[in-house]
Amino acid sequence: QKEVEQDPGPLSVPEGAIVSLNCTYSNSAFQYFMWYRQYSRKGPELLMYTYSSGNKEDGRFTAQVDKSSKYISLFIRDSQPSDSATYLCAMTTVYNQGGKLIFGQGTELSVKP
Amino acid sequence: GAVVSQHPSRVICKSGTSVKIECRSLDFQATTMFWYRQFPKQSLMLMATSNEGSKATYEQGVEKDKFLINHASLTLSTLTVTSAHPEDSSFYICSARGLVGGGTEAFFGQGTRLTVV
Repeated sequence: QKEVEQDPGPLSVPEGAIVSLNCTYSNSAFQYFMWYRQYSRKGPELLMYTYSSGNKEDGRFTAQVDKSSKYISLFIRDSQPSDSATYLCAMTTVYNQGGKLIFGQGTELSVKP
Repeated sequence: GAVVSQHPSRVICKSGTSVKIECRSLDFQATTMFWYRQFPKQSLMLMATSNEGSKATYEQGVEKDKFLINHASLTLSTLTVTSAHPEDSSFYICSARGLVGGGTEAFFGQGTRLTVV
């Protein structure tokens, strides 16, 4: 069993839709949770970072962490064609210089105009 | 966010030759750098972690003599793929972590597409 599971998609939605992306994990020691966006042939860029359980909102993006269920989500409201990318969840036990990030396999999202 | 520059973005080399990939943190000091490999439609697989001035720590299954990592300064790390073979063709991405704005976030380079022919 992989430490982090993420549905690879692809996921296709119309412009303006609400998108829900999810990851499950098995290691209860994970405390820091991140979502990255990766455009084709580019490096990932950090979208959201959450510590422990709870919600965090940034513009059209909301990250949720449910540690009891070992489940994290990223919601994108009013999705735009420019949101089309691969979204990777990542998590780590220790968010400092030595903490390794464990990535999900990424979900490919396509937002159609 | 901070900028991490990775060079080259694409490289094609002949089988048996060596290729060097550079990763630079442009506006912060990167005390730790990570090197990843990514196959099409797959996740990032960590290859090694390097701290400035010390030897890299390689993940299980990664050949350290084949993938040479040097982290000579707080702004530069290099990955050299030695005696490259077609199976080494992949997308290589570096990530740099340091004190930026009081945090310790990791920032990624734009990646290097290596094709070995």
